Amino acid sequence: GAGVSQSPRYKVAKRGQDVALRCDPISGHVSLFWYQQALGQGPEFLTYFQNEAQLDKSGLPSDRFFAERPEGSVSTLKIQRTQQEDSAVYLCASSLSGTFTGELFFGEGSRLTVL
Amino acid sequence: EDQVTQSPEALRLQEGESSSLNCSYTVSGLRGLFWYRQDPGKGPEFLFTLYSAGEEKEKERLKATLTKKESFLHITAPKPEDSATYLCAVQAGYNFNKFYFGSGTKLNVKP
Repeated sequence: GAGVSQSPRYKVAKRGQDVALRCDPISGHVSLFWYQQALGQGPEFLTYFQNEAQLDKSGLPSDRFFAERPEGSVSTLKIQRTQQEDSAVYLCASSLSGTFTGELFFGEGSRLTVL
Repeated sequence: EDQVTQSPEALRLQEGESSSLNCSYTVSGLRGLFWYRQDPGKGPEFLFTLYSAGEEKEKERLKATLTKKESFLHITAPKPEDSATYLCAVQAGYNFNKFYFGSGTKLNVKP
C-alpha cells in the first residue's frame, strides 16, 4: 500500500474487555514497531518485529499486552482485560530494512479509550 | 537512565519570525538523533537523521544541528503550515531498534 494503515482508528472499550489493533505496514518493509503515545507525550516503544520474529518486547507494559506478526506483514497488537491506564494512541511504524537510518514510516494510529 | 528533553513545550511565532527548538539528551553511546514532525491526529513524519556532533541537515525552512549534548531545530521565516509538534528521538547503545522520543515542542505560527 501507499502507507502504513491502522485499524480501527478509534476504539472505545469497557474496562475488562479485550481489544485487537491491526497494522498493515508498507509492502516489503522488514521492520515493524509498535509505540504507545499518551496525550501530550512522545511515543513510547512497545515492541519490534523483524519479519515474523519478535526481537524485542521489552516495552510491553504488562502480560496483558501481546503482539504478533505471523507472516511477516500484517501485525496485531492485542490488549487483554483493558484498564483505564491503557487509554492512549497506539502507533505502528515500519521500516524498509533491518538497518536503522531513523526513518520510520508511521501510521495514523489507533486511539483507544477505556471507560 | 537515558533521557530526551525538549524545550520549550510550546512556542508561538508570528509568520516570518525565526526561532529554534531544543532537544537535549543524556544517553550512553548515541547512534543517531532524529527529528520528526507530528500533525494533530496523525502519526509522526520523518524529517532528519543526525549521527555525529557538528553535523547539519537542511530541508526548506528547517535546519537541524547536533552537538555532543543537544540538537537544535532552527526554523527560518516560518509559515503557518509549519505549525505542528516537533519530536526528537535518539537511538543509543546496543538496543538499536529502540528509539527514545522526547515529549515534543508544539509550534504555532500565526499569519
